[in-house]
Amino acid sequence: GENVEQHPSTLSVQEGDSAVIKCTYSDSASNYFPWYKQELGKRPQLIIDIRSNVGEKKDQRIAVTLNKTAKHFSLHITETQPEDSAVYFCAASGTYKYIFGTGTRLKVLA
Amino acid sequence: EPEVTQTPSHQVTQMGQEVILRCVPISNHLYFYWYRQILGQKVEFLVSFYNNEISEKSEIFDDQFSVERPDGSNFTLKIRSTKLEDSAMYFCASTKNRQETQYFGPGTRLLVL
Repeated sequence: GENVEQHPSTLSVQEGDSAVIKCTYSDSASNYFPWYKQELGKRPQLIIDIRSNVGEKKDQRIAVTLNKTAKHFSLHITETQPEDSAVYFCAASGTYKYIFGTGTRLKVLA
Repeated sequence: EPEVTQTPSHQVTQMGQEVILRCVPISNHLYFYWYRQILGQKVEFLVSFYNNEISEKSEIFDDQFSVERPDGSNFTLKIRSTKLEDSAMYFCASTKNRQETQYFGPGTRLLVL
């Protein structure tokens, strides 16, 4: 069935370093890939998204890359700050629903 | 900026009881969704709803679940006879067009005892 794998499950980085989170999807019909940040007990908040007709998208310190052939997409956060600490979820969508990855708990150490 | 709202924020119920979770999507949105997140796990799709009917549902969304848009603003999820394993955070989401960004509500934390 449809599945999205996400790695790593936890990631600790020093403040100012970069963080990279990777996802792989199984459904070749997926064409929209959002990334959500979820702080403890809060709703998922969209931070960036990419569509299948684009290979890369950047928004200040956050960037996402997509390799459709390999069915991989990645989130890159540069110059990490303590407030970036949260759980990050990738998702893939081809129809109505989102299929979410299992989440990455990012901890930025001051 | 408009947001999706959900009530109640927390609900505690006894196993076998019916619960109704309520959502008010963003006003000009047309597609509505329910997801759930068991504590510490990923967000899972339950159902999508468009034009007053279910457009897609997951295996989780069995006969115990139903959705309704009873008026022009509310979107509800009903669980007819709750089970212990229904304990989770339930998120409503909405979007203006299919395959656009889904905006999530703050969630209802359901605890079934």
